[in-house]
Parts: sequence; C-alpha cells; structure tokens
Amino acid sequence: DTGVSQDPRHKITKRGQNVTFRCDPISEHNRLYWYRQTLGQGPEFLTYFQNEAQLEKSRLLSDRFSAERPKGSFSTLEIQRTEQGDSAMYLCASTTINEQFFGPGTRLTVL
Amino acid sequence: GESVGLHLPTLSVQEGDNSIINCAYSNSASDYFIWYKQESGKGPQFIIDIRSNMDKRQGQRVTVLLNKTVKHLSLQIAATQPGDSAVYFCAGRVTGNQFYFGTGTSLTVIP
Repeated sequence: DTGVSQDPRHKITKRGQNVTFRCDPISEHNRLYWYRQTLGQGPEFLTYFQNEAQLEKSRLLSDRFSAERPKGSFSTLEIQRTEQGDSAMYLCASTTINEQFFGPGTRLTVL
Repeated sequence: GESVGLHLPTLSVQEGDNSIINCAYSNSASDYFIWYKQESGKGPQFIIDIRSNMDKRQGQRVTVLLNKTVKHLSLQIAATQPGDSAVYFCAGRVTGNQFYFGTGTSLTVIP
C-alpha cells in the first residue's frame, strides 16, 4: 500500500455513459498525476496538477476527458460519452518532487 | 514523440541468478529516471531512481546504471527471487514534469 487510494477499483459502463473516478493522494504530496494504461503497455501520461492548478495535459487527451483537483487534495477524472477505446486502467500517482507513488488504479470496461 | 523503450519484452531467470533489464530512451534532455515494478492487477511500485547527473545508484539488491552517451539505462537485480516476478518499467522525465514509460519487460523467476 503506497498511501494513494483510488475509487472505484473497477467500473463497467455502457458506451455513451459518463464515468468519474476519484484519487486520494498522499496528504503531503502537492503534485498529482493521472495516467492511462492498456494491457501490455506502460502507463501513458494524461494530466498533472500542482496543488489545485492543472499545469499540463497530454496532447492526446480527448476533450471528453476532464480532471479537477478543487482543493489541492483529492482529484477526479471524468470521461464523458465513453467509447470502447476508453477501456483501460486509469492510474493516479502523487509526489512531492521526484518519486511518484501510484495508486492501485481503476479498471474501466466500456461495453 | 518522446519514447522510453525496453529491449526485451520477456526475461526468464533462475532463482538466485542476477537479472538485468535494459531500457533505451530517445530524449537527451531527460533529467530523471525511475524504475517501477508492476504485479498483475496492481499499480506500479517504485523501485529505484537516478538523476541524469549520476551514472550509478544502488539500493537493496537493485542497481541502476545510466549511460547518457548511448541513452541507455539498466536495472540489475541481485539474487533474483520468485517474488521479483513482475513487469518492470522504466520511466523518464522529459519536459516539465511529464513522465514517459516504456512498454515493460516481463520477468519470470524460475524456482
């Protein structure tokens, strides 16, 4: 257990539905990352927060994806109008300066 | 785009032998690297990191070597144990705070 938690651990949804995932980072970590990982691949960077500010977003991130970190603590990742290609593991990681600690991930299956 | 890639997708070693997992990166501006271990159904677990101003760093049973001339790093695991069986990823930090991951090497330890 790294101290980073994610909820839910698994989500099955129908195509076209919206889903929201939550990440609770290690409390003293001011930086929070979201990644997507598909089977057999390494995590792919999606977006990054420093405190409540979203500082970087992947150019590959569809406008159906949005992330927030309203109080600089927990973060949410929302996917609107889900597509089958969104099926993946969504990982959250938190850090202070360098070391990133990952949560267990949320596995999304879009039917 | 940026890439951090691994030479071999799979590696099998006898218990007690040393393991070497290799990784090549493409961006010479990468200033920091991390090795992660990922077991099935779990998030990546931090193993060891190295800054670009170093060429070697040792941890408990693990050593990371960095060769900036050929843009290559390796993870050495001493006296490999069955519990070391997992997928290993290298990640490099490039622009700002974005990390790029390779596709991973699956390590199998044969008892």
